[in-house]
Amino acid sequence: SQTIHQWPATLVQPVGSPLSLECTVEGTSNPNLYWYRQAAGRGLQLLFYSVGIGQISSEVPQNLSASRPQDRQFILSSKKLLLSDSGFYLCAWSVSPDGAFEQYFGPGTRLTVT
Amino acid sequence: GESVGLHLPTLSVQEGDNSIINCAYSNSASDYFIWYKQESGKGPQFIIDIRSNMDKRQGQRVTVLLNKTVKHLSLQIAATQPGDSAVYFCAENGHSGGSNYKLTFGKGTLLTVNP
Repeated sequence: SQTIHQWPATLVQPVGSPLSLECTVEGTSNPNLYWYRQAAGRGLQLLFYSVGIGQISSEVPQNLSASRPQDRQFILSSKKLLLSDSGFYLCAWSVSPDGAFEQYFGPGTRLTVT
Repeated sequence: GESVGLHLPTLSVQEGDNSIINCAYSNSASDYFIWYKQESGKGPQFIIDIRSNMDKRQGQRVTVLLNKTVKHLSLQIAATQPGDSAVYFCAENGHSGGSNYKLTFGKGTLLTVNP
């Protein structure tokens, strides 16, 4: 069966510090991978998605970046965090050959920028 | 622009009652819809999906109805239980921007089940 992991589960970082969040998927090959951000009590905002190694599409211009160094690994990064980067970060995967059918989400990372 | 929204941000029901959560979408090109359940502090969990060539689909205690004429989607939960308390999101797979890899999520409805 497929599983998705995210770490860390929680993170408190000062403004201006770097960020690296990691997501890995097990039990599937060549998944589509996604990073979302969710503000408290709000919906999901798609940040990045990837359909293959090294292929990254950005949805929202911001100080975040994403990379996919391996087939089942997706990394979200920032060189300098802003207060507005606080939120709940969710990674998701899908394998539908035609694109975004059901997506399966990881447990999330709660990021607080102080 | 294209969007998916919800009629009610909160819904409170008594345990054992049926719950109905509504969602409106505006992208007539959407051909796939999903409902997710998100418990506090956790990632969204897939509940049920429906394609645009269907009007109704049933799962275990849940039914999704799709009315393409008025671009409306609903999730019905039978015999609601305390464990059903969560935020429920609808999502659509509209072919926005030429990409078929993305889902557009609604803002969510908080369902509270009272014992």
